[in-house]
Amino acid sequence: NAGVMQNPRHLVRRRGQEARLRCSPMKGHSHVYWYRQLPEEGLKFMVYLQKENIIDESGMPKERFSAEFPKEGPSILRIQQVVRGDSAAYFCASSPAGSGGYTFGSGTRLTVV
Amino acid sequence: SQELEQSPQSLIVQEGKNLTINCTSSKTLYGLYWYKQKYGEGLIFLMMLQKGGEEKSHEKITAKLDEKKQQSSLHITASQPSHAGIYLCGADHDNYQLIWGAGTKLIIKP
Repeated sequence: NAGVMQNPRHLVRRRGQEARLRCSPMKGHSHVYWYRQLPEEGLKFMVYLQKENIIDESGMPKERFSAEFPKEGPSILRIQQVVRGDSAAYFCASSPAGSGGYTFGSGTRLTVV
Repeated sequence: SQELEQSPQSLIVQEGKNLTINCTSSKTLYGLYWYKQKYGEGLIFLMMLQKGGEEKSHEKITAKLDEKKQQSSLHITASQPSHAGIYLCGADHDNYQLIWGAGTKLIIKP
């Protein structure tokens, strides 16, 4: 059981480019959550998805950010036209149901230059 | 006030000494996660506590959940340099959004 897989581990983007972060949940988990950790801060909830559904995106900025979890393949967190303030660690977690039993991935560290 | 208060913010401990990190919630705790993060790296799962009074140990790290106080403590015995890092607690308030503490930076002095 490979756990929650996130890639890439590190991502460098120039301002204005797009960043795509991928998250493959644990086998048997159909719920995915994305969190962001800004420098020197705790993790903050961004979005909760089930297969082909966004359940709660209240923590995600309204502009430039989007997330999906297709029927096949990993969940994708997409950030368009990145700015320096998007530099952060983005963590993905999965669970078998909508509460409890969360497993976190190792994160993707995004640096915008 | 914060939903989840973690203390202390930072801690410098002589190698071999014991230490405790606390996590206090303003809401009912249905679960509490402890993770460790090395500077600039990913999250390392330590323990998950679910029931009031539950206590778990892994090597020299012990964590307890006090449901009544809505609090969890992480205790490290005979600290080693490998224990250095940032310790994070995440609270399950019976909501899929885990609420996280700001972290405790632990430095071990040789």
